[in-house]
Amino acid sequence: KAGVTQTPRYLIKTRGQQVTLSCSPISGHRSVSWYQQTPGQGLQFLFEYFSETQRNKGNFPGRFSGRQFSNSRSEMNVSTLELGDSALYLCASSLGPDSRITKGYTFGSGTRLTVV
Amino acid sequence: AQTVTQSQPEMSVQEAETVTLSCTYDTSESDYYLFWYKQPPSRQMILVIRQEAYKQQNATENRFSVNFQKAAKSFSLKISDSQLGDAAMYFCAYPLNTGNQFYFGTGTSLTVIP
Repeated sequence: KAGVTQTPRYLIKTRGQQVTLSCSPISGHRSVSWYQQTPGQGLQFLFEYFSETQRNKGNFPGRFSGRQFSNSRSEMNVSTLELGDSALYLCASSLGPDSRITKGYTFGSGTRLTVV
Repeated sequence: AQTVTQSQPEMSVQEAETVTLSCTYDTSESDYYLFWYKQPPSRQMILVIRQEAYKQQNATENRFSVNFQKAAKSFSLKISDSQLGDAAMYFCAYPLNTGNQFYFGTGTSLTVIP
């Protein structure tokens, strides 16, 4: 059974550009959540999608957006990149709308974004 | 608001010894779950153990166990017979009752000394 796949693994972008990150959840998982991990702020929740609908959103500016497709794959987009957006972006999937019941998320290995 | 605090940025343990990682949290909920995740250098977060707050019995998964003190809002992780592969960042996590939004602590970096 394939795990959560995030592409690309590494990315270097220039300030002002935009970037799209991709996450393919475990087959059958309908919920995808995104987190930003930085040394200063730790792990912060970005948003969660379930059955193509955004259910929850963290405290991030509107430059951060996402979507989920009918096959549960998800993308997140960051527009007008800033140096502070440099981070590890982690995607996590779960079977249903409440991962606590199913023993939590399964995480991908992340996309390391560097903004220069 | 929910908060999760890990007061030990770094810990070390001799191989085969026991180590305890601390976590405290704040919540107004009476029924909730708590998790410990491990993040090795591969970057992928891996579930270590889960505790349901309504269960008085502490959760155990092989060499990993928790000491859950609900009144004190404390949730520590004990690793017995430490192995080199246990070296990683460990995160304590509290999921909101919406299900799929977690608050994470700042992590504890565990070094295992051979």
